[in-house]
Amino acid sequence: QLQLQESGPGLVKPSETLSLTCTVSGGSISSTSYYWGWIRQPPGKGLEWIGSIYYSGSTYYNPSLKSRVTISIDTSKNQFSLKLSSVTAADTAVYYCATIRYFDWLSHYWGQGTLVTVSS
Amino acid sequence: DIQMTQSPSSLSASVGDRVTITCRASQSISSYLNWYQQKPGKAPKLLIYAASSLQSGVPSRFSGSGSGTDFTLTISSLQPEDFATYYCQQTYSTPPLTFGPGTKVDIK
Repeated sequence: QLQLQESGPGLVKPSETLSLTCTVSGGSISSTSYYWGWIRQPPGKGLEWIGSIYYSGSTYYNPSLKSRVTISIDTSKNQFSLKLSSVTAADTAVYYCATIRYFDWLSHYWGQGTLVTVSS
Repeated sequence: DIQMTQSPSSLSASVGDRVTITCRASQSISSYLNWYQQKPGKAPKLLIYAASSLQSGVPSRFSGSGSGTDFTLTISSLQPEDFATYYCQQTYSTPPLTFGPGTKVDIK
């Protein structure tokens, strides 16, 4: 059973870059079965897909965030990462990492989520 | 991008009630519609995929129907553990993955 765990700073200053890492256990991040994705949820609001990466490094980003997002993968550490630049208060959210199954885009495994607050 | 809407945005119901939530897509998505349940402070959980297929381990009181643009999630007899927020998600045209705004089910 796959397990995912987000880690990173809980507080980021406006205009700086938010950086999070998701560590995968119980399976290999080099699996051909999954994309590895980031989804966020502002407090009291709905879910927004940020982007996904395949083990090969191929990425897909939400067009609304594409100019500020970079997702990368480190197969040697079984980790993938999110960088979101030029953050504002609107980027305050719980950030989840999740699997996205390759052939049907379903998310079966999620991290517990980590709250990132953008504030000076 | 395909836009998803849900109605109602919230509802109050009692244990044992039959509950129906509606999701509508801005264009036809065939049966590429999924439902997730989210409890406070927890990650979403997949309930139903491909409009009407029950994810393994999900109680049979949950069911889904629809195709094209209009879909429903039904809980046949609401249980205390079902009080949560429910999101629909389209996977017809990806990326991007898009979710509906959610329907919160709380206790009457």
